[in-house]
Amino acid sequence: AQTVTQSQPEMSVQEAETVTLSCTYDTSESNYYLFWYKQPPSRQMILVIRQEAYKQQNATENRFSVNFQKAAKSFSLKISDSQLGDTAMYFCAFMKPGAGGANSKLTFGKGITLSVRP
Amino acid sequence: DTGVSQDPRHKITKRGQNVTFRCDPISEHNRLYWYRQTLGQGPEFLTYFQNEAQLEKSRLLSDRFSAERPKGSFSTLEIQRTEQGDSAMYLCASSARYEQYFGPGTRLTVT
Repeated sequence: AQTVTQSQPEMSVQEAETVTLSCTYDTSESNYYLFWYKQPPSRQMILVIRQEAYKQQNATENRFSVNFQKAAKSFSLKISDSQLGDTAMYFCAFMKPGAGGANSKLTFGKGITLSVRP
Repeated sequence: DTGVSQDPRHKITKRGQNVTFRCDPISEHNRLYWYRQTLGQGPEFLTYFQNEAQLEKSRLLSDRFSAERPKGSFSTLEIQRTEQGDSAMYLCASSARYEQYFGPGTRLTVT
């Protein structure tokens, strides 16, 4: 079974600064996907970024980028130029694809609450 | 709005009552997932469907829980004889390929 660990329960960052959220995972699989999801207060979960394990290049989406260290089983999220709207809970998630690479269930970490200060 | 929708958004029920939640996925998505999220925790997988077939059910899911997706479109999640420990946010997600898109959730409070 896979496990996802987010050991930092809360973080705070000044607006326009950069912050890094940590995530580690444990799996014996070689083919998998990793995700960061954002859940703003009282709003639904939205996907921030996705990383395929077979890709060495770190994924980037605008101000969001990841540092994927497969050997260390580490998957951190860097948010550059933090904005007030980034205030949310952030969840790291793991997915082992099904047959034929099909989408399958997500295993989530406990999440980290990020507060962006004006 | 073409996102995932869930109904109701909030449900308060007394212990021992049955409740049913509905999820309408994004129309072209063939996979549909149910998760449960308690306060301050990450979502936990409950079950998922490919079209109308239920492919996997978590061991966390007791016999009081049942889910259906009768025509491969919307899905229902029923909880029979609710207990206070069932109080949580129930999330639905749908997917076509690699990414799951989540609905707003149904918050259940069992009194």
